[in-house]
Amino acid sequence: QPQLQESGPGLLKPSETLSLTCTVSGGSVRSSSFFWGWIRQSPGKGLEWIGTIYYTGNTYNNPSLEGRVTMSVDTSRNQFSLMLSSVTAADTAVYYCARNLAYRGTYYVPFDSWGQGILVTVSS
Amino acid sequence: DIVMTQSPDSLTVSLGERATVNCKSSQSVLHSFNNQNCVAWYRQRPGQPPQLLIYWASTRDSGAPDRFSGSGSGTDFSLTISSLQAEDVAIYYCQQYCDAPFTFGPGTKLDIK
Repeated sequence: QPQLQESGPGLLKPSETLSLTCTVSGGSVRSSSFFWGWIRQSPGKGLEWIGTIYYTGNTYNNPSLEGRVTMSVDTSRNQFSLMLSSVTAADTAVYYCARNLAYRGTYYVPFDSWGQGILVTVSS
Repeated sequence: DIVMTQSPDSLTVSLGERATVNCKSSQSVLHSFNNQNCVAWYRQRPGQPPQLLIYWASTRDSGAPDRFSGSGSGTDFSLTISSLQAEDVAIYYCQQYCDAPFTFGPGTKLDIK
C-alpha cells in the first residue's frame, strides 16, 4: 500500500484560499491504474467527497462546492494538490487525500488508501 | 445526490459477539459496467483515517480481517462483524460510488459492552 501525506496551513481567515498538497510514496501518481482524491470530514457534515484527479490532469468535482475547487497533479514531485477558494467557517474540517484503484478506466471505485488527514480551521 | 442513511446511530456489543450495521441508499446503486452494487464499508478508529473493509457490497478488501462481511442488494446493505474484537471500537461508514458526487452515510458508532 502506498503512503499518502497531506501538508499545508492549518489556519486560514475567511475569504482566503485553502491550499493543500498530498505527497505519495510507495506508488506513482503517474500510474494509469489510479485516481487520486480529496475527502473532508467535519462534525456538521460528516465525510464529504471533494473531488478526484487523474495523472492526465482530468478532474471530477463535487458540484456542492460551487466551482471553488481547483486540483492539480505534479508527476515530477509525485504529488497532487487541492485549492479551495473563498473559505468560510463551514470549510473547517479534517482534509484527507486518498487513492482510487481505477476500474475499467473509471474512478467509480472506493478509496483504498488514505492519508492521516490534516485539520484546517477557518477563523478570523 | 444519492443519500445514504445508516442504522443504528450507535451500537454496544460484547466482545466475541456479533455486530450488524445497516445502510440504506435513496436509490439503487448498481454499477453500469458489471451490474454489481457500488457500496463500500469503512472502519474509522479514533484519531485515524477511514480504512476500507468491504467493496462491491460484499467483497472483503485484502487488508480487512475475515470476521468482516458485507451483504445486501438494491437499496439495503449490511456490514456484519462475526466476533467483535477490542480493535473494532470505531465508527463505521457506508459509501456509494456508483454516482458522482460520491456520498457517505452518517456513521454508526460501535462500542464494547
